[in-house]
Amino acid sequence: SSELTQDPAVSVALGQTVRITCQGDILRKYYASWYQQKPGQAPVLVIYGKNNRPSGIPDRFSGSSSGNTASLTITGAQAEDEADYYCNSRDTNSNRYVFGTGTKVTVL
Amino acid sequence: QVQLVESGGGVVQPERSLRLSCAASGFSFSSYGMHWVRQAPGKGLEWVAVISYDGSNRYFGDSVKGRFTISRDNSKNTLYLQMNSLRPEDTAVYYCAAGEWFDSSGYSYWGQGTLVTVSS
Repeated sequence: SSELTQDPAVSVALGQTVRITCQGDILRKYYASWYQQKPGQAPVLVIYGKNNRPSGIPDRFSGSSSGNTASLTITGAQAEDEADYYCNSRDTNSNRYVFGTGTKVTVL
Repeated sequence: QVQLVESGGGVVQPERSLRLSCAASGFSFSSYGMHWVRQAPGKGLEWVAVISYDGSNRYFGDSVKGRFTISRDNSKNTLYLQMNSLRPEDTAVYYCAAGEWFDSSGYSYWGQGTLVTVSS
């Protein structure tokens, strides 16, 4: 089955910008959605489709895609953005979904 | 407000069965594709299964195909996951999620999860 690869961890200074990437061949055909998960909590959808934010998600979160890579950018990171982030997309050749390996974001 | 409440988790011996439920409220349950997603302790998210809004189509991840079944009762606004032939590697928090039906719309709503522990 297909895979989505993310960097295990990234850090960002408070107020600065961080980009989290997700790589996989399936992203050449389908958009990724992005989820934020804080310790002990359920995931929360932050970006879906081309670059759509659900109601209540701050506009410092944005998404983009190019080739086999999808990116989630946090512009002006806040302390409350410290969390694990996962990408997700449907598989190209089957009616299944795949999650990325996850990225732990630390806000310094 | 939107709520998804999972139940049915617990400790079960290997090769036994367990059925999880997910009670939905606050949104039009019968209009959404519904998913199960799991997370082993200290690990990442793993997609488990999806069922279409009307229950006519169901798909499973490789690790559970042939052992797990997903179903829904739209009259009761409830989603189910029947888990058979359980293995220790099925130990995880199981989340139900609403939304995505192969349209890149994402999983809009999530439950709080229920822990399944497979151990002798």
